This record gives sequence, C-alpha cells and structure tokens, in this order.
Amino acid sequence: NAGVTQTPKFRILKIGQSMTLQCTQDMNHNYMYWYRQDPGMGLKLIYYSVGAGITDKGEVPNGYNVSRSTTEDFPLRLELAAPSQTSVYFCASSYSWVGQGRDIQYFGAGTRLSVL
Amino acid sequence: DAKTTQPPSMDCAEGRAANLPCNHSTISGNEYVYWYRQIHSQGPQYIIHGLKNNETNEMASLIITEDRKSSTLILPHATLRDTAVYYCIVRAPSGNTPLVFGKGTRLSVIA
Repeated sequence: NAGVTQTPKFRILKIGQSMTLQCTQDMNHNYMYWYRQDPGMGLKLIYYSVGAGITDKGEVPNGYNVSRSTTEDFPLRLELAAPSQTSVYFCASSYSWVGQGRDIQYFGAGTRLSVL
Repeated sequence: DAKTTQPPSMDCAEGRAANLPCNHSTISGNEYVYWYRQIHSQGPQYIIHGLKNNETNEMASLIITEDRKSSTLILPHATLRDTAVYYCIVRAPSGNTPLVFGKGTRLSVIA
C-alpha cells in the first residue's frame, strides 16, 4: 500500500514560472489537503477537498489553485512562482469517521520547492 | 491560530519516559485532542487522539485532565528514533475542520 504519494520530491523554479505539484492516494480517502511548511514553522493549510469536485480555501490560499477531479488525485498549481512560495509542501488525506473523532490524516513525504 | 500551548523544546534520556505537556484551556465539549509528530522534515505522523478518557496504543499514552484543559503525551521508553517535533492539536471530529499546527515541542532524546 503506497499511501500518499507526492511528486516531485525536489524542484527549483525561477520567478514567474508555473508548476503543478502532484498528489495521489490509494486509500480511497474522501478528504485531501495541501499544507506548506516554512523553515522552523508549523504547517499551514493551503487548500482542502472533501470529495471529488469540491475544494475549499485554507489559511494561505493566495498564489495557488487546486482541482479534484478524482478521489485519488489532488494536484496543487502554482501559476506565477514567487520567492515567498519557497517552502516544503505536504499533501495529506483522511477518511472521516465523525462519531469517534477518528479523522486521522496521512501525509506524503513532501515536495521541497525553491523559487529563485 | 493554534488553540494549544506547548513548550518549544524538551530533552529526554534514552530509555526513560518522555512526558510532553499541552495546554488547551479553551477546548470545546466536542473537540478532540490529537497528537502528531514530525521526524526530521518528513511528513507528520499520527500518534494518538482522545476526547476525555485516557488512551493508550502501541506508540504512546494520552492523559487528559478531568477539566480537559490540558493533556500529556507519554512515550514510555523513549528511543533516539523518537527525536522529533510533537504537535498537540485540538479540533472537532470533522474532515471539514482541518488540522491547525502550531510550532510544537521539539523533543530531543539523548543517549
């Protein structure tokens, strides 16, 4: 079982370039999330999705776009890369068991992005 | 903003119990306490969660005070591989409520 897979692992972008960070999960989870983590800081939520075709903004959505056309995939798009987007990006997924609070998130290994 | 307060760092001798405290004085009645950890910039890993009863699993124990305003994560026999940042998170049990990570506690297990 692969869990949550993120590609690429590392990427260097020039200012103004665009790229898509890929995330796929094979656990049939309905919820998926994108976080970013700046050096020495905690994770901040960028976007999340509660199911195919449904996405919503998190704490820091500016400069990013997402789509969720399938249960398995949740790509994150950077349209015009800026140095402030230099960060580590984590994708996560979960299946909500509301009654028992068992909404455990499983994380990918991360994508390390530098914008120069 | 995170609803929890944790010490920024702690040390623990290898083989001893590591007790990581967390204050969550504004916790609501339906909110659970979750603990995650992050080892050396890997993706965070779920450890344990609870509502009001103490909980134990193969990784750790969670002790929640009776008034639910604080909790303690206990790693009974810390090893060097437990060196990580530990996050205490309070949230309602819904996928629509995302995890809010604070800065956590950096636990260093020392040989």
